[in-house]
Amino acid sequence: QVQMQESGPGLVKPSETLSLTCTVSGGSLTNYFWSWIRQPAGQGLEWIGRIYTNGNTDYNSSLKSRVSMSIDTSKNQFSLRLNSVTAADTAIYYCARTARSSLYWYFDLWGRGTLVTVSS
Amino acid sequence: DIQMTQSPSSLSASVGDRVTITCRTSQSISNYLNWFQQRPGEAPKLLINAASSLQDGAPSRFTGGGSGTGFTLTISSLQPEDFATYYCQQSFSLPWTFGQGTKVQIK
Repeated sequence: QVQMQESGPGLVKPSETLSLTCTVSGGSLTNYFWSWIRQPAGQGLEWIGRIYTNGNTDYNSSLKSRVSMSIDTSKNQFSLRLNSVTAADTAIYYCARTARSSLYWYFDLWGRGTLVTVSS
Repeated sequence: DIQMTQSPSSLSASVGDRVTITCRTSQSISNYLNWFQQRPGEAPKLLINAASSLQDGAPSRFTGGGSGTGFTLTISSLQPEDFATYYCQQSFSLPWTFGQGTKVQIK
């Protein structure tokens, strides 16, 4: 059974860089895209971006200048970096497996999420 | 970016009720529409993809429909475990976007 787990600091200072890792267990990273999605407390969901196993990425234009993703297939991990954070970046961050069937994309497996608070 | 608008934002219903949630998009997305259920303290869970295709393991009381700019999620007979927030999400074009959510509460 494939499982995903986010990890990283729960507290980040303003203007610094948020760094998270998602570890996938029970399965391989190959042949899937992998996304990051965030959710501020009591609010809706925002897709941050996706990465493929070859390292190709797509980012949400709203965050594009501050975000980067990477992948390490040998460790079955992929990562998110978001720089110059502000309080508006405080949220639960989820990693999600991004599947494709024909032309249809969907997030079929999610991590439990990790709360990141931006505060001095 | 494609804007997603769900209605209502919240609703109160009883066990056994039939419930319908609507999702409208700012431009036509054919049937590139997914529905998620999120219970408090949990990650979202995929219910339906491609507007009407029920995900493996999702109960058959959930039905999705629509195409173009208007979509619905119907729960035929509400069960206690269905009290949650539901989100629609478009996969027609990047950036993928979500509706603001519909909270289904116990009457």
